[in-house]
Amino acid sequence: GIQVEQSPPDLILQEGANSTLRCNFSDSVNNLQWFHQNPWGQLINLFYIPSGTKQNGRLSATTVATERYSLLYISSSQTTDSGVYFCAVGDYYGGSQGNLIFGKGTKLSVKP
Amino acid sequence: NAGVTQTPKFRILKIGQSMTLQCTQDMNHNYMYWYRQDPGMGLKLIYYSVGAGITDKGEVPNGYNVSRSTTEDFPLRLELAAPSQTSVYFCASSLGTSGTDTQYFGPGTRLTVL
Repeated sequence: GIQVEQSPPDLILQEGANSTLRCNFSDSVNNLQWFHQNPWGQLINLFYIPSGTKQNGRLSATTVATERYSLLYISSSQTTDSGVYFCAVGDYYGGSQGNLIFGKGTKLSVKP
Repeated sequence: NAGVTQTPKFRILKIGQSMTLQCTQDMNHNYMYWYRQDPGMGLKLIYYSVGAGITDKGEVPNGYNVSRSTTEDFPLRLELAAPSQTSVYFCASSLGTSGTDTQYFGPGTRLTVL
């Protein structure tokens, strides 16, 4: 099955700093999503981005499907950005019916 | 819309007990999923459903059962609880006819088996 690797595993930032999180995947995908899991455990969908670039406020994401990676950019980080960021992909070749395969996540801590 | 709701929020079970985790969505989504998240890890798929009456196994189905009698509900059943089933359980749903669509997650159920 598809392998999903996220880097870095841990990241500590000072408030106001920018960061880039990376997601590499081992095969073609038809679905890629970025999630933020807040300190209370809630999973929030940030982007549905199997290809291309999207922006939402201070967050943006780019997926280069042909090179099998996706990047999540966080600009002007805030303490509320703390939590774990997950990349999840769906298998392109069917049979999975939209099942997502999750990476292990990047744990982000933003210090005031 | 309430989105995806799950009950209970927390539960402690003894080894060998049974329980049902409830999941309901009010978005008229076709697809529903159950995942588990172990400490420090990403989520793994237990079971999924592409519509009422249709379910299939995911990556880690052993020890669990599901049913989907309505579009809205997708309960997960643990028959003989084991310590290895201690985890946080998330239910999710998506609209898409092919599954290539945004998944929306419930708040999770934290289960401890002692």
